Amino acid sequence: NAGVTQTPKFRVLKTGQSMTLLCAQDMNHEYMYWYRQDPGMGLRLIHYSVGEGTTAKGEVPDGYNVSRLKKQNFLLGLESAAPSQTSVYFCASSYLRRGGDYGYTFGSGTRLTVV
Amino acid sequence: AQSVTQLGSHVSVSEGALVLLRCNYSSSVPPYLFWYVQYPNQGLQLLLKYTSAATLVKGINGFEAEFKKSETSFHLTKPSAHMSDAAEYFCAVSRWAQGAQKLVFGQGTRLTINP
Repeated sequence: NAGVTQTPKFRVLKTGQSMTLLCAQDMNHEYMYWYRQDPGMGLRLIHYSVGEGTTAKGEVPDGYNVSRLKKQNFLLGLESAAPSQTSVYFCASSYLRRGGDYGYTFGSGTRLTVV
Repeated sequence: AQSVTQLGSHVSVSEGALVLLRCNYSSSVPPYLFWYVQYPNQGLQLLLKYTSAATLVKGINGFEAEFKKSETSFHLTKPSAHMSDAAEYFCAVSRWAQGAQKLVFGQGTRLTINP
């Protein structure tokens, strides 16, 4: 099925450990995003990419890095995990069509706990 | 800057009753507005979106929303609640900045259906 795939689905990290979350989309979308979801705060944008080889900071980028070496993949890295990064992480991709129509597809999320 | 406020973090209705989830937005330009639903331990699924065409937007699962510019509102309604509607609902506004459309989410409303 076409869509956005996130790996892993669950992870527990110790404070100070590093990890990479992988997002893969097979819809040939130009734009990709990483959000974090925390109770009572909705989803907040961490980083995004407007195309292969490009990345930009979102609303809450501190403590995260990203890379988009291939159009279909968008990686989110935590170099030194902190308990404040305990959250559910969602990846999304989007298209933009002529006339301004666009739409988003979200992955199923990665639940990360930092102890 | 665009922002979204969802009134009520929890809403509880009886099965068969009207569902009304409130969303107000602020935007300096005509907005694109979205409602998403999130079932437990799942990603976000698009219910409907407003893209400056008809002000009454019909979505999936019997939901609809009306864009009211004078009230800066985009409330979500469903005439008759079903047990399967129990989920968390997010209103979002999109904004174009730095070469990408970005979604700004409200804090979410958890809908509970009473039998």
